[in-house]
Amino acid sequence: AQRVTQPEKLLSVFKGAPVELKCNYSYSGSPELFWYVQYSRQRLQLLLRHISRESIKGFTADLNKGETSFHLKKPFAQEEDSAMYYCALKAAGNKLTFGGGTRVLVKP
Amino acid sequence: DTGVSQNPRHKITKRGQNVTFRCDPISEHNRLYWYRQTLGQGPEFLTYFQNEAQLEKSRLLSDRFSAERPKGSFSTLEIQRTEQGDSAMYLCASRSLGQSGNYEQYFGPGTRLTVT
Repeated sequence: AQRVTQPEKLLSVFKGAPVELKCNYSYSGSPELFWYVQYSRQRLQLLLRHISRESIKGFTADLNKGETSFHLKKPFAQEEDSAMYYCALKAAGNKLTFGGGTRVLVKP
Repeated sequence: DTGVSQNPRHKITKRGQNVTFRCDPISEHNRLYWYRQTLGQGPEFLTYFQNEAQLEKSRLLSDRFSAERPKGSFSTLEIQRTEQGDSAMYLCASRSLGQSGNYEQYFGPGTRLTVT
């Protein structure tokens, strides 16, 4: 069975500081991982996927199969980054298994 | 708004009543997913359809839950004899099977169910 763990429920950082959201997974197959974000009063939306190896809004995430991790990082947090972030693992049928989420609060 | 839509957005019902939610996916999206999200948790998969065929159901989906997608377009999720534990946000998502390599699921705004 697949599982996604986000150990931090809340991350509070100051504007301009680095931010790292941890995500660990367990899955017997070849994993495909995503980060979804939900801004206040908005719907859940895709932020980035590991297969694309892209930077979105300054965020990057590297899949580390040895450590079974997919941590999300941004070197300089902005106030508009305040949101709920979910790490997700794609299983058969393309259904997603989500972690419990991390709330990021960027203080001015 | 051409995104995924869900109705109603909020539903308050008394324990034991039946409720039905509707999801309208993005036009021509083949796959439609239902998730449930309780307070402080991430979304949990319930079931998904490819066109009108229901291909998988989670063990979370008890016999009181039923989902349909009769014409391969909109979908309904019905909960019979609601219980307080059914209180949650019910999310719908859709994606196009034809987009090779694009696994993005587009989510609707959700239906918040409160069972009193």
